[in-house]
Amino acid sequence: QKEVEQNSGPLSVPEGAIASLNCTYSDRGSQSFFWYRQYSGKSPELIMSIYSNGDKEDGRFTAQLNKASQYVSLLIRDSQPSDSATYLCAYFKGPAGGTSYGKLTFGQGTILTVHP
Amino acid sequence: NAGVMQNPRHLVRRRGQEARLRCSPMKGHSHVYWYRQLPEEGLKFMVYLQKENIIDESGMPKERFSAEFPKEGPSILRIQQVVRGDSAAYFCASSPGQGMTGANVLTFGAGSRLTVL
Repeated sequence: QKEVEQNSGPLSVPEGAIASLNCTYSDRGSQSFFWYRQYSGKSPELIMSIYSNGDKEDGRFTAQLNKASQYVSLLIRDSQPSDSATYLCAYFKGPAGGTSYGKLTFGQGTILTVHP
Repeated sequence: NAGVMQNPRHLVRRRGQEARLRCSPMKGHSHVYWYRQLPEEGLKFMVYLQKENIIDESGMPKERFSAEFPKEGPSILRIQQVVRGDSAAYFCASSPGQGMTGANVLTFGAGSRLTVL
C-alpha cells in the first residue's frame, strides 16, 4: 500500500466550478498535512497546511482533514484557468503544529485542468 | 529576500560522468532536503541534512549518490558515474530548525534538471 494516494487524474473542470482533490494516507501517526501546487516545469509551492480534524479555509481553497478515515482533501471554489496545475498532497509524521522537523512524504499528484 | 537557491538550473552529462548539484537554503533556515522528480511522477524523498550532519538518508540510492551540507557553503548532491535513469529534476527545499514555527513547512528551490546523454 502506498503511503499517500491521490485520486487518479487528470481532473478536468469548467471555469467557475468546484474542483475536488482527494488524498488518503496509510500512517495513522501522521499529524501534519499539506497541499502543494506545481505548475509544469516549476517547483512546488505550498497552498495549505492543516493539522486538526475539520475544515480550514483560505480564500478559494478549503482543506478538509479526517484523521479517523485517514483522508484529506482540497476544494477549489470558482476554479480559474490559472489553477491548472499538478496538486501534490503531502504528510509529515510528527507532532502537529509544525515545530518539529522531518521529511515530507508526497503523493504522486493529481493534474487539474480548468477549461474556459 | 532570496529564497532557496539551486544551481545549475540545467545540467547535461554523459554516462559515466559526475553531476554536482548545489543548494543554498533560505536565510534563517538550517535544514535542507533533497527530492527527485522523474517525468510525470511525484516527488521522492532522498535525504535531509543539517549543517555537517545527515539526519535521514533513507531515500538515497545506496551507490553513486551522496550529499553533504558543510559548515560553510551550500549543500551539495553528488551523483557519480551517472546513468540515463538519473535524468530527472532534483529539487532542494529548506525549513527552519526544530522548535521554530513552520519547522515542517518546506520551501522549494527552482530545481536542477539533469539530463544524461
